[in-house]
Amino acid sequence: EADIYQTPRYLVIGTGKKITLECSQTMGHDKMYWYQQDPGMELHLIHYSYGVNSTEKGDLSSESTVSRIRTEHFPLTLESARPSHTSQYLCASSKSVQAGNTIYFGEGSWLTVV
Amino acid sequence: QKEVEQDPGPLSVPEGAIVSLNCTYSNSAFQYFMWYRQYSRKGPELLMYTYSSGNKEDGRFTAQVDKSSKYISLFIRDSQPSDSATYLCAMSAGSSGSARQLTFGSGTQLTVLP
Repeated sequence: EADIYQTPRYLVIGTGKKITLECSQTMGHDKMYWYQQDPGMELHLIHYSYGVNSTEKGDLSSESTVSRIRTEHFPLTLESARPSHTSQYLCASSKSVQAGNTIYFGEGSWLTVV
Repeated sequence: QKEVEQDPGPLSVPEGAIVSLNCTYSNSAFQYFMWYRQYSRKGPELLMYTYSSGNKEDGRFTAQVDKSSKYISLFIRDSQPSDSATYLCAMSAGSSGSARQLTFGSGTQLTVLP
């Protein structure tokens, strides 16, 4: 069973507010990812990290930023939330060498910006 | 055209039915194939993983890969209401251990009626 945790699970916030979505994993995985998923739609990779102090943007452009100061922790920050940021954000992680690129997901953070 | 195509459904079947979920793909380099199950308001969880062509069975679930046709399937036997979820296929070409190379389908929503 995957041990990857996201907080908060649900958040309703006003436009212009700064928010941070937390993600932690206890599996010792060096690679971590953030995906964005609108209801009924595809997963889109928005950020990934290969290790501490290593972060890159994914395929889908996002105004969010990430940091990786500790192996187990990969927070995502929105400096000024807008209604267009309303979505589900999924954190995931994988081992450095993992056949088939299998990854493990957290339960997601549902963000609503009003 | 998307690299991975998946019938979005929704698919509704009676309890006990055999379910067939399918994905087609265009990238002949794909050799690792996965199926994820995602319950409502949860993160995806790995259900089945196969390498190259062939079948793999796990309980009521069978994953089938036909690389010559670029077609993968997930069969669920004796379907149960607890199988109601969205099923996502995913695939990649390499085994570098990075989900950066993963390509997801858009998911098929399945409902098993009691």
